[in-house]
Amino acid sequence: GAVVSQHPSRVICKSGTSVKIECRSLDFQATTMFWYRQFPKQSLMLMATSNEGSKATYEQGVEKDKFLINHASLTLSTLTVTSAHPEDSSFYICSAPGQGAPYEQYFGPGTRLTVT
Amino acid sequence: SQQGEEDPQALSIQEGENATMNCSYKTSINNLQWYRQNSGRGLVHLILIRSNEREKHSGRLRVTLDTSKKSSSLLITASRAADTASYFCATLAGGTSYGKLTFGQGTILTVHP
Repeated sequence: GAVVSQHPSRVICKSGTSVKIECRSLDFQATTMFWYRQFPKQSLMLMATSNEGSKATYEQGVEKDKFLINHASLTLSTLTVTSAHPEDSSFYICSAPGQGAPYEQYFGPGTRLTVT
Repeated sequence: SQQGEEDPQALSIQEGENATMNCSYKTSINNLQWYRQNSGRGLVHLILIRSNEREKHSGRLRVTLDTSKKSSSLLITASRAADTASYFCATLAGGTSYGKLTFGQGTILTVHP
């Protein structure tokens, strides 16, 4: 099946700094990618839809200026958490849909962000 | 926002027993998918059932879908310790933007050897 990678797998940063997380589709092209956030023992919450060549669309309640998304190519989307705070500590997961119906999703392994 | 409710929230069984997890959703769907997540890891796609299907099998997995009740169930037969994980249902809404999934709250399954 298709493979999606994320980098880094874990990152620890200090409060006030910015962190960039990469999501790559390794063997297929993805014009759309999705970013999710998962707090401990909770489910995945969709944050935004990353669109190649255009602006990302954000879910209600997600701050656009805080979570910057750039879909630079057909195989790469990046999520930058700006001015990170401890409450941004979470597990961030990206996904890319397969080609055509029935729209199976391929998920990355996730990035554990800890803000100290 | 989370669409799905799953029950039970946690399920503890012995190896060899069957595990049943339920999922309910609120809006019309194109399909419903089940995923597994081992602790601290990414998601693994298990099975997808379309809105016009009522039951689907894959190995030890059996999924049912009742669109009139907006509910689905996942049955894992002859469970193994390696099945220990969190299980999530996710729905793809009808007519929604391509590939956008809404996840349920999840069931934490523990299978004791």
